[in-house]
Amino acid sequence: DGGITQSPKYLFRKEGQNVTLSCEQNLNHDAMYWYRQDPGQGLRLIYYSQIVNDFQKGDIAEGYSVSREKKESFPLTVTSAQKNPTAFYLCASSIDSAGENEKLFFGSGTQLSVL
Amino acid sequence: ILNVEQSPQSLHVQEGDSTNFTCSFPSSNFYALHWYRWETAKSPEALFVMTLNGDEKKKGRISATLNTKEGYSYLYIKGSQPEDSATYLCAQFSSNDYKLSFGAGTTVTVRA
Repeated sequence: DGGITQSPKYLFRKEGQNVTLSCEQNLNHDAMYWYRQDPGQGLRLIYYSQIVNDFQKGDIAEGYSVSREKKESFPLTVTSAQKNPTAFYLCASSIDSAGENEKLFFGSGTQLSVL
Repeated sequence: ILNVEQSPQSLHVQEGDSTNFTCSFPSSNFYALHWYRWETAKSPEALFVMTLNGDEKKKGRISATLNTKEGYSYLYIKGSQPEDSATYLCAQFSSNDYKLSFGAGTTVTVRA
């Protein structure tokens, strides 16, 4: 079954701690994305990557970091600099950069909470 | 960040009834409009990607129209069924920043 796998489903962070959210895809997609959802708001783009070893900041990148060492993997680290990390995080991929015909395929998400 | 707005925020519809709701977006620098369905405890899945003014797309009982000149898209559900209960997200891809900007969604609840 091709798809996007996010883990863990639930994650708790202690103050001052960095945590990493995993995102793996076996769709052979070039582009991958991280979005954050807060109640009552649209999905907001944190980081995106159009190709291996390259990534760009989205609209709310502060306090987050990513890597793209393999095509299949795009982990997101929530650093201690992110002061309001409690949110639902969605990873997505597309064949190429989202555009005219490049619909997104989403993972099932990770709920991050602060202890 | 583009201002993509969806209305209403939520709606309830009786099984068998039809309904529709709106996505509005800035008409300048328009490139594409996406619709996604997000069922509870599942991943969002793409319904439509629309690019041309006047586009109409259909998938089963769900259809969408696009007006890029005035900056809106309608999603229609004909003969609503309980399995249509979900949050419907729209997102605009702008040629200004080449990124998708999402609305907050319309949550549809179909009552049996």
